[in-house]
Amino acid sequence: ELKVEQNPLFLSMQEGKNYTIYCNYSTTSDRLYWYRQDPGKSLESLFVLLSNGAVKQEGRLMASLDTKARLSTLHITAAVHDLSATYFCAVLNNFNKFYFGSGTKLNVKP
Amino acid sequence: DTAVSQTPKYLVTQMGNDKSIKCEQNLGHDTMYWYKQDSKKFLKIMFSYNNKELIINETVPNRFSPKSPDKAHLNLHINSLELGDSAVYFCASSQTDYYGYTFGSGTRLTVV
Repeated sequence: ELKVEQNPLFLSMQEGKNYTIYCNYSTTSDRLYWYRQDPGKSLESLFVLLSNGAVKQEGRLMASLDTKARLSTLHITAAVHDLSATYFCAVLNNFNKFYFGSGTKLNVKP
Repeated sequence: DTAVSQTPKYLVTQMGNDKSIKCEQNLGHDTMYWYKQDSKKFLKIMFSYNNKELIINETVPNRFSPKSPDKAHLNLHINSLELGDSAVYFCASSQTDYYGYTFGSGTRLTVV
């Protein structure tokens, strides 16, 4: 079974700082997704990464994919309080099953 | 106009009862899913249907039975509810890999 590991699981940071969330997965896949979940809410799609070297940016968030290292990163630049949420990476295997990481709970302090 | 809608949003029930959660999507997607999110926020797939046909059936107690009357609907029926069934259940749909999943707002099930 495909394993997806995120770290850190919890991240408390000051506004204005930069940080990176890491997502490692155990078997070959070139389809990786990042989602955001606010407390008590559904999951919102952030990024879809479909090839090695893919990089996507939206506002203060940038995601990248290295399929050879089986690693994706979600980089946060100059964090603001509105980014506080739980972030999930998910990997799609060859049988169209999504495997989610355990999530990174981000708290950005003013 | 909600893309993936689930009802009810909250469900509190006693052990041993039978309950259903409904899901509908208006995106024209062919594939629908049920996921369970436990208290530690871990998401795990339960079932997947493609155009009314069951294609993924994870190791889930047979008290859980999905039903897809058409490709826009995927309902989840749970018999003899147990305390451990308490969780948030998310419905999702997808069409292609390019966009990933669209999730419903979730149903918070509490078994007392």
